[in-house]
Order: sequence, then structure tokens, then C-alpha cells
Amino acid sequence: KAGVTQTPRYLIKTRGQQVTLSCSPISGHRSVSWYQQTPGQGLQFLFEYFSETQRNKGNFPGRFSGRQFSNSRSEMNVSTLELGDSALYLCASRYRGQNTEAFFGQGTRLTVV
Amino acid sequence: AQTVTQSQPEMSVQEAETVTLSCTYDTSESDYYLFWYKQPPSRQMILVIRQEAYKQQNATENRFSVNFQKAAKSFSLKISDSQLGDAAMYFCASSTGANSKLTFGKGITLSVRP
Repeated sequence: KAGVTQTPRYLIKTRGQQVTLSCSPISGHRSVSWYQQTPGQGLQFLFEYFSETQRNKGNFPGRFSGRQFSNSRSEMNVSTLELGDSALYLCASRYRGQNTEAFFGQGTRLTVV
Repeated sequence: AQTVTQSQPEMSVQEAETVTLSCTYDTSESDYYLFWYKQPPSRQMILVIRQEAYKQQNATENRFSVNFQKAAKSFSLKISDSQLGDAAMYFCASSTGANSKLTFGKGITLSVRP
């Protein structure tokens, strides 16, 4: 069974640009969550999608958005990039709900210059 | 709101010995779950062990076990017979029964000396 796949693995963008990150969950998993990891703030929850609906949202500005497609693949978009958005973005998939194990991808390393 | 605190930023252990990583948490929920995740240099978070708060028995997975002290809101991870491959960052995390969001601690870097 293939694991959680995140693309691209590395990305360099210029301040003010926008970026889209992709996450393909494990086959059959319907829940996809996104986390931002930085040395200063640690791991912070961005949002969760379940069956194409945003089920939960963290405390991030509106520049951070996401969506989920009918095949459960999810994309995360960050508009008007700031230097502080440089981080490792991790995606996690779950089969269904809260009580099931979250499987993480290897992340996308975003650098904003 | 949930909080998870890992106060030790780094620890070191001799290969084959035992090490305990500390974690405290706070939550107002009665239905919650606690986790330890390992993040090696490859960056992929791997679940080490999980504990349901309603279970009194401490979870065990091979060389990994937890000491869950519910009243003290403490959730420590014990690694027995440490191996070189155990070297990584370890994160303590929690979630509630109603919310699948994981709240992480700051993590601890574990090094294993050969």
C-alpha cells in the first residue's frame, strides 16, 4: 500500500508569489490534515478536510487555504508569500475519524526568498 | 484548548541502555488521546505509540512503553535497549475525541551513542 505522497518535496518561491502544495493520501483514507513545522513555532495545525469539506481550521491567516477533491487528494495554497512562511509543510491522512492513526507524508520544504 | 509541554530539548543515551522522555499535557476534555511521534532526518513523522485516556493500562509497543499518569497529566516515553536507529526528534501530541487536530509539543532531539 503506497504511503502519503506530498509534492513537490522542495520549493523556492519569491516573497509576494503564491504556491500550491499537493498531498495524495493513502488509498481509502478520507481525512487529510495539514501542518506547518518551523524551528520557532514547532508543529502547528493548519486545517483538515474530510470528504471534500473543511472539518477543522487552525489559527492561520486567510492567505492559507486548502481544498480536497473527490479522490481525497488535497491541495494547500498560500498566497502573497511572506518570508515567515518558510517551513516544512506536512500532510497527514486518516482512514476516517479522530480515533484512527494519522499517517504522515515526508513533507514539502518551502523556502521564501 | 489543549497544550503539550516537552521541557527537555535534547537527550542522549548509550546504545543498549534505557531512556525516558518526558511530556506533560493539559486538556479540559475527558475523552482524549496521547501520542508519541518520531521524526528521523528523513522528516517523515512516524507514530511510535498511542494511549487512550480512558484506558488505565499503559501502552506498550515492543521496546517502547509509556508511563501515563492521568492525575498528574504526565505522559512519558520509555525506550528500552536503545538502538542507533532510535536517534531522531520525538514529539508528544494529543487530540480529543471530538477533534482530530493534533496538538504537538516542541519536541526533543534524542541522540544515541555507540
